[in-house]
Amino acid sequence: GEDVEQSLFLSVREGDSSVINCTYTDSSSTYLYWYKQEPGAGLQLLTYIFSNMDMKQDQRLTVLLNKKDKHLSLRIADTQTGDSAIYFCAEKSGYGNNRLAFGKGNQVVVIP
Amino acid sequence: EPEVTQTPSHQVTQMGQEVILRCVPISNHLYFYWYRQILGQKVEFLVSFYNNEISEKSEIFDDQFSVERPDGSNFTLKIRSTKLEDSAMYFCASSAQLNTEAFFGQGTRLTVV
Repeated sequence: GEDVEQSLFLSVREGDSSVINCTYTDSSSTYLYWYKQEPGAGLQLLTYIFSNMDMKQDQRLTVLLNKKDKHLSLRIADTQTGDSAIYFCAEKSGYGNNRLAFGKGNQVVVIP
Repeated sequence: EPEVTQTPSHQVTQMGQEVILRCVPISNHLYFYWYRQILGQKVEFLVSFYNNEISEKSEIFDDQFSVERPDGSNFTLKIRSTKLEDSAMYFCASSAQLNTEAFFGQGTRLTVV
């Protein structure tokens, strides 16, 4: 079955880069996602990576996937105060279903 | 921008009571989902719904739970005979197709006392 692990808390100074890590167990994962949750808001999809890719860059966001180690990371360049949120990684396994397996989330606090 | 809306944002109920959590998915979406997050734990999949029937459910989604699409816009989660451990944030989501992005609502915080 799927299991996704994340560390819990990260503080970062505004303008610095922040890196959030995630490990997963299901080697049949097809897509891996990063969601952002701001206070009082829903889960917003930030970016995703298909399992046959190693890296994806989207503006300030860089996703790295190490499929051998089942390790996913999200790097946020030039972190802004608006990046303060909880970040969830999630995986989707196989085809024909849309069930997402989430990690516990990583709270990022950006210090001005 | 279209969004998934959930009501209420917070519901308090007494143990043993039934609750109905409501969701309005994005209008042209075909797939609907419920997830929950118990405080301090992971977001967990409950159920997916397509073409007026459950397409997949987790082991959490037992006989205490049911889902319904009573009209063309609402998607509801009913929890019968609530228990203290049902206290959680419940998220509704919808997607246009099976392998497309799921859009989530802001969640309903359910507190069972």
